[in-house]
Amino acid sequence: DADVTQTPRNRITKTGKRIMLECSQTKGHDRMYWYRQDPGLGLRLIYYSFDVKDINKGEISDGYSVSRQAQAKFSLSLESAIPNQTALYFCATSESGPGSEQYFGPGTRLTVT
Amino acid sequence: QQQVKQSPQSLIVQKGGISIINCAYENTAFDYFPWYQQFPGKGPALLIAIRPDVSEKKEGRFTISFNKSAKQFSLHIMDSQPGDSATYFCAASIRGNTPLVFGKGTRLSVIA
Repeated sequence: DADVTQTPRNRITKTGKRIMLECSQTKGHDRMYWYRQDPGLGLRLIYYSFDVKDINKGEISDGYSVSRQAQAKFSLSLESAIPNQTALYFCATSESGPGSEQYFGPGTRLTVT
Repeated sequence: QQQVKQSPQSLIVQKGGISIINCAYENTAFDYFPWYQQFPGKGPALLIAIRPDVSEKKEGRFTISFNKSAKQFSLHIMDSQPGDSATYFCAASIRGNTPLVFGKGTRLSVIA
């Protein structure tokens, strides 16, 4: 089984709808991240959490919110989806400490029409 | 403000050739510089990483060269193979206490 799983893998939704992307990990890592990938723009950090009680905004948090339900679960919500949120979304995890490798999930492709 | 600038955006290399991807950074507090490799339909995965106390790190056909004074680091792929065709991201962070900042990526195509 995959260490970092994301659901759904693909989603098409309409403008204005609320949508939640879920991430679960079995690696026992404290740190979790949400990234957005767009062609030519690379990976941009949306939110990150260094432990269950810690939530931090990333580079592009506007229009998004997150919930860290447990050490293993980190959800990303779009309260009112808009077309420019169409992108590939990745969850990642890492251990605490310097130089810790980030492990990425398989991604969720979201299309907002 | 883009903290890590990566070039080129795309690269085509003949099989057996050397692929070179460059990154430059501004923040001198960065002290960890990994490269991630992403195949189509997959999430990125760590390829190789370096700290600024060494100028070069080699793992198989992959080498990171690091120039602290120029604030630049690069990935060299020797004897490039079609299986190396992927998107490569450089990144940087500070003492493991800040999230990674990624470059915009380089799409490498190795042709036979």
